[in-house]
Amino acid sequence: DAGITQSPRHKVTETGTPVTLRCHQTENHRYMYWYRQDPGHGLRLIHYSYGVKDTDKGEVSDGYSVSRSKTEDFLLTLESATSSQTSVYFCAIMERQGAYNEQFFGPGTRLTVL
Amino acid sequence: AQRVTQPEKLLSVFKGAPVELKCNYSYSGSPELFWYVQYSRQRLQLLLRHISRESIKGFTADLNKGETSFHLKKPFAQEEDSAMYYCALSAPSSNTGKLIFGQGTTLQVKP
Repeated sequence: DAGITQSPRHKVTETGTPVTLRCHQTENHRYMYWYRQDPGHGLRLIHYSYGVKDTDKGEVSDGYSVSRSKTEDFLLTLESATSSQTSVYFCAIMERQGAYNEQFFGPGTRLTVL
Repeated sequence: AQRVTQPEKLLSVFKGAPVELKCNYSYSGSPELFWYVQYSRQRLQLLLRHISRESIKGFTADLNKGETSFHLKKPFAQEEDSAMYYCALSAPSSNTGKLIFGQGTTLQVKP
């Protein structure tokens, strides 16, 4: 599992509340990613990081912010959750596998916004 | 624009039947293409990548640049192949490793 954990694994919250999801890795990978998984859309990139304090937007970044103050942790924050952000959120890291790069995924966080 | 399309939401076959999961892409250049699989209650994991031309669990996928397709095939489906399959694209020139996923196809293999 490339040492990737996500917390919480499940969360139910109300519209308008702030929510922070945590991705933790134990192997000093430089690149980390946050995706959301929705039926009919597959996985879509929200934000990614290429080092401590280095982040960039993905395809669906509106309403989300991220922070990476340490190599091992990549936080995803919904400042004011909306029902459209109900989804399963996956964190991933990129690791060199022989001649190729490969992304490894965390177990996912199921978020429900009521 | 970069895009990956999987036209089938659900593909249902009987055990032992051939399987083909379709994937078409839009990209100006030579992308890196992947198939990821998510078994029930498990993490998303890489099944295979086009550049290594490997066969994993009996699955193969050939990149057809003329048709911009990367269909996943298996000659004889097994019940344990039942899962969600995602085709994904990465732009090698970007060096960021970002993946663009298709919508996913659920493969259901019936006994």
